[in-house]
Amino acid sequence: DAKTTQPPSMDCAEGRAANLPCNHSTISGNEYVYWYRQIHSQGPQYIIHGLKNNETNEMASLIITEDRKSSTLILPHATLRDTAVYYCIVRVSLLSSNTGKLIFGQGTTLQVKP
Amino acid sequence: DAGITQSPRHKVTETGTPVTLRCHQTENHRYMYWYRQDPGHGLRLIHYSYGVKDTDKGEVSDGYSVSRSKTEDFLLTLESATSSQTSVYFCAISEDRRGLAKNIQYFGAGTRLSVL
Repeated sequence: DAKTTQPPSMDCAEGRAANLPCNHSTISGNEYVYWYRQIHSQGPQYIIHGLKNNETNEMASLIITEDRKSSTLILPHATLRDTAVYYCIVRVSLLSSNTGKLIFGQGTTLQVKP
Repeated sequence: DAGITQSPRHKVTETGTPVTLRCHQTENHRYMYWYRQDPGHGLRLIHYSYGVKDTDKGEVSDGYSVSRSKTEDFLLTLESATSSQTSVYFCAISEDRRGLAKNIQYFGAGTRLSVL
């Protein structure tokens, strides 16, 4: 199972881009990178995922290095409501079903400051 | 919360009593999951279901059982609650799409359980 490493905390000024790094050096070729976030006392929220190409949606952008050993989640214009714990997850497959287990690490606590 | 309702939202119970948490979805998704979240441990998978009456264990399944008699409901039961089961419990659902990347999980709001 590929493990991920994230910094425990980061600060970002409101209105600036937040760049959250994640290392996943043991990722295998068919494993995707997922990002979720959890705002205090709420359930985790899906943000974005990717395999090897960069991805963008209405919430964020995901940049994956060519060797796929690391990735960066970018929130282009952070707001106070983006303050949350951000989890980088590499998908694990379960043999008994056609779905994958999500392994949540400790994540990065992003504090957006005014 | 993507059509997911967890009940109750808060519960206080005593050691040794049975407790059942309910997860109800209106999305008709095939897969359902129960996680627990504790300080210092992040989210950990307890059990999951890949269809009606089809369930399997996660990484912290001891002391828990589950049942899924219909698509929309996934029940988590603590047969005899212990203080170590004090936690926040999250239910999640995902669709059945070919290609693993499509199985994005959507989470409920959580149930805060205290076992005294």
